[in-house]
Amino acid sequence: TQLLEQSPQFLSIQEGENLTVYCNSSSVFSSLQWYRQEPGEGPVLLVTVVTGGEVKKLKRLTFQFGDARKDSSLHITAAQPGDTGLYLCAGGDSGGSNYKLTFGKGTLLTVNP
Amino acid sequence: DADVTQTPRNRITKTGKRIMLECSQTKGHDRMYWYRQDPGLGLQLIYYSFDVKDINKGEISDGYSVSRQAQAKFSLSLESAIPNQTALYFCATSDPTGSGGGVQFFGPGTRLTVL
Repeated sequence: TQLLEQSPQFLSIQEGENLTVYCNSSSVFSSLQWYRQEPGEGPVLLVTVVTGGEVKKLKRLTFQFGDARKDSSLHITAAQPGDTGLYLCAGGDSGGSNYKLTFGKGTLLTVNP
Repeated sequence: DADVTQTPRNRITKTGKRIMLECSQTKGHDRMYWYRQDPGLGLQLIYYSFDVKDINKGEISDGYSVSRQAQAKFSLSLESAIPNQTALYFCATSDPTGSGGGVQFFGPGTRLTVL
């Protein structure tokens, strides 16, 4: 069974601060996806990383996939209250079929004004 | 209009009752999924379907059943609801094509409470 450990589970910061969320596993994944979920809604994809060592930027968010494709991080620069939400990482099945995702337990981020 | 819809959005029921949660999608995807979400536990896969004739159990299928009535419709049933099935339930679809594929598109969720 593939497991993804996310840390921290909870994070409360002030507007303007930087933060990093980690997603770690002992298993290799064919891809790593990050989703954000707001209250009362389903998760929405932020980014997919596929290649070991890959770095993707989405405005103030930077995503990195580990060289061995076992871990990933999400860094937010100058956090804003609108960044508040539950961040979920999800690993794609290493068999390459990408038919099933393994989700981490999530990081609940609160950005205070 | 939303691409993935779920009905009902909220449901309160009693122990032992049969409940059906419905999911419809207009994305034209063959693959559909049912997850439950509990606080601090992330998303756990209940069942998934690659097409109308292909249904597979996920991590936590006990106590649940599904029906894929058409490409666009995937229903989840609780034959005899119990309190520990109180949770937020999500339906999702995916298109397996494309690099890094398997991006999933989620519905808005159904909040189920079993008393």
